Amino acid sequence: TQLLEQSPQFLSIQEGENLTVYCNSSSVFSSLQWYRQEPGEGPVLLVTVVTGGEVKKLKRLTFQFGDARKDSSLHITAAQPGDTGLYLCAGAYNNDMRFGAGTRLTVKP
Amino acid sequence: DAGVIQSPRHEVTEMGQEVTLRCKPISGHDYLFWYRQTMMRGLELLIYFNNNVPIDDSGMPEDRFSAKMPNASFSTLKIQPSEPRDSAVYFCASSLWTSGVDTQYFGPGTRLTVL
Repeated sequence: TQLLEQSPQFLSIQEGENLTVYCNSSSVFSSLQWYRQEPGEGPVLLVTVVTGGEVKKLKRLTFQFGDARKDSSLHITAAQPGDTGLYLCAGAYNNDMRFGAGTRLTVKP
Repeated sequence: DAGVIQSPRHEVTEMGQEVTLRCKPISGHDYLFWYRQTMMRGLELLIYFNNNVPIDDSGMPEDRFSAKMPNASFSTLKIQPSEPRDSAVYFCASSLWTSGVDTQYFGPGTRLTVL
């Protein structure tokens, strides 16, 4: 059983569409991060959220940390083919980071 | 900075052989992590070090796996003997714990295939 559950597992959309992916847990995290991983590469950090209810924006990406610090969402506006990749959430847990299984996003031109 | 360096990038070996994966973390980072990634299980933490000392190896699958960090600039993950189920991409990551937030920088990974 994953400490962090991500949904959906797979998502395929057309360029220009909006989407939201989710990261949920029954545990409380002191901070939560989102990474993007492209084929053949390691994950790369997109954002860190630390405060319950926090919202961070990174161009077309909006990240939200749940009030109880147990869940998070990533919303992408007007998706582009360059957004294609595996999106991983990771929570700070017992002095290390635990990763979800990821959402594999494909944006078709 | 060159980032986290891993070698080899690809390794193909036969069952029963010893495999050694290598990692050079980012200079100045005090944490080093070894992960394994598969389609079935996602990204799994195997072991991590703080200032070259192993802190938590509870993710190491079994005694066939061992990891060392003899100094701040080098770490190895060894599998002996290797088995087909060890086939995966192995990532090394390093971080500098700052203000309670840990940003991990991943290497490009080693794709291991055990035949």
